[in-house]
Amino acid sequence: DAGITQSPRYKITETGRQVTLMCHQTWSHSYMFWYRQDLGHGLRLIYYSAAADITDKGEVPDGYVVSRSKTENFPLTLESATRSQTSVYFCASSEEAGGPHLYEQYFGPGTRLTVT
Amino acid sequence: QKEVEQDPGPLSVPEGAIVSLNCTYSNSAFQYFMWYRQYSRKGPELLMYTYSSGNKEDGRFTAQVDKSSKYISLFIRDSQPSDSATYLCAMTRPAGYALNFGKGTSLLVTP
Repeated sequence: DAGITQSPRYKITETGRQVTLMCHQTWSHSYMFWYRQDLGHGLRLIYYSAAADITDKGEVPDGYVVSRSKTENFPLTLESATRSQTSVYFCASSEEAGGPHLYEQYFGPGTRLTVT
Repeated sequence: QKEVEQDPGPLSVPEGAIVSLNCTYSNSAFQYFMWYRQYSRKGPELLMYTYSSGNKEDGRFTAQVDKSSKYISLFIRDSQPSDSATYLCAMTRPAGYALNFGKGTSLLVTP
């Protein structure tokens, strides 16, 4: 199906382990984003990418690493998971710069991550 | 102080009521405004997208932006139980790309 998908949908891991969350979109959107959603904080941007091999930090990047070797994929890695990274993670995408819908972001279904 | 403020609710209304959801913001550079609907355990879904000031209508939904007051609203007419969800406002400046979200308002429409 076309759209934006995330995997896994649920993940439980232990403190100190490395975890990678996957995001895949089929729209050929240039921009991709990773957010985390926590009670009391709402949605906060972790990292974003304007194109393949171009990434930049958002509001809460510490402890996370991203890469974007292909336009359609934008994995998020927690290098050494901590309990404070327990959250729901959403990937989003939007079309290329200059388009009329640039600022419309479309979200995936989310990954619910628990760090024990 | 966060750049975008939104009352978390919860807001409970009877079916058929008119619902008003609001956000205030502090950054006068914001020009693009969005409303997202998020059902429990789902990703946010884009509902409305407006540029600058004015109104935009889509079916039962009307988005309103008042840049002079730094205030945006989403009105839902003839509310339905299926409208029960969390509504998130979001906004950005030109070339900002990253959206600034409110914390969301939880809405419950009772039959």
